[in-house]
Amino acid sequence: DTAVSQTPKYLVTQMGNDKSIKCEQNLGHDTMYWYKQDSKKFLKIMFSYNNKELIINETVPNRFSPKSPDKAHLNLHINSLELGDSAVYFCASSQPGTGIYEQYFGPGTRLTVT
Amino acid sequence: DQQVKQNSPSLSVQEGRISILNCDYTNSMFDYFLWYKKYPAEGPTFLISISSIKDKNEDGRFTVFLNKSAKHLSLHIVPSQPGDSAVYFCAASGTSYDKVIFGPGTSLSVIP
Repeated sequence: DTAVSQTPKYLVTQMGNDKSIKCEQNLGHDTMYWYKQDSKKFLKIMFSYNNKELIINETVPNRFSPKSPDKAHLNLHINSLELGDSAVYFCASSQPGTGIYEQYFGPGTRLTVT
Repeated sequence: DQQVKQNSPSLSVQEGRISILNCDYTNSMFDYFLWYKKYPAEGPTFLISISSIKDKNEDGRFTVFLNKSAKHLSLHIVPSQPGDSAVYFCAASGTSYDKVIFGPGTSLSVIP
């Protein structure tokens, strides 16, 4: 059973399009995250939701909009895609507040904007 | 401004020898440190962690050492195996933080 799953795994699209990436976790965690791994391989947090509420919103263009329909799902919608959005996007989940900081990551979605 | 640094982008080690991966941090508010391992085309997976109240944590072949005064931690893998070849990310967080800060990663190659 996959703990954190993301779809699609690969996404190739043209500049200006709108696309979504879906994430689901079956770990019962309250908190979910979106990370971006850029061409320099840095993993940078974009958003974090706790029980469907936005708690972290880093300096991310407002073309990126996360949506959490329930605590097991956190989707990422991107409007008007740009070349610089090409990256690998990882979803993750954790159960903070227990003194445990480990996050469980999905397999990643490689987004290529042409 | 990199708060978590891994100054060695890559490391090669012979099978059976010790691998030592280093990590430095700048923020003294961090009090929890983690190591993640990442294979190509997969997400990072949690490996081992250490709280700032300890200076060593061991789990099988993996040991993490923390030197708070130097703001330095290291991951030791003994003995190294070819399956350990991956990118290792150091990360930091803490009770005063609502997020985990990752280093840029070190690519480890274990040569058979």
